[in-house]
Amino acid sequence: EAGVAQSPRYKIIEKRQSVAFWCNPISGHATLYWYQQILGQGPKLLIQFQNNGVVDDSQLPKDRFSAERLKGVDSTLKIQPAKLEDSAVYLCASSLFLGNTGELFFGEGSRLTVL
Amino acid sequence: AQSVTQLDSQVPVFEEAPVELRCNYSSSVSVYLFWYVQYPNQGLQLLLKYLSGSTLVKGINGFEAEFNKSQTSFHLRKPSVHISDTAEYFCAGNTGGSQGNLIFGKGTKLSVKP
Repeated sequence: EAGVAQSPRYKIIEKRQSVAFWCNPISGHATLYWYQQILGQGPKLLIQFQNNGVVDDSQLPKDRFSAERLKGVDSTLKIQPAKLEDSAVYLCASSLFLGNTGELFFGEGSRLTVL
Repeated sequence: AQSVTQLDSQVPVFEEAPVELRCNYSSSVSVYLFWYVQYPNQGLQLLLKYLSGSTLVKGINGFEAEFNKSQTSFHLRKPSVHISDTAEYFCAGNTGGSQGNLIFGKGTKLSVKP
């Protein structure tokens, strides 16, 4: 079974530029999550989708971050314009169903460096 | 406030020694608790989870954890570690509710030395 796929693995940009990350969850997984992991901290949820609907985006900085999951499968997370403090690893995860009594499956992450 | 606290940021141990990684959760965090492991340059992988039932939970790679409601703790243990256990370990708790976002601790880096 293929795991959660993310790209790109690494991205370096200047501040005020834009960047997009892509995630393809495990086939059949209805719930998709984007987490931000800043160096030295645990992952923090940015946004959670159930199929193509947003379940929770309360911690997403909506002035600069956006995410979509148009067909209920893969998802894109965009940052525009980027700030220095956005340097982090962006983790995508998926799970079979809504509600965290189940297991989350994580991708390898996309490491963003903002200069 | 909902929180998960990992009490040690780094734990160095020698190979074949026992190890305990400590985790405490706030009482407002729902009692669905998890330990994830992150090997260098890889994603997080579930080690074990506590949902209900027996307070001693066994996971992969010989790890186990004990849920202690009175102490609001969920410490991870392994009786004998290997070099390959070197990784970062994250404790996480469910925030509750129907969608249940996971709240992660800051992580504990386990370094196993020969």
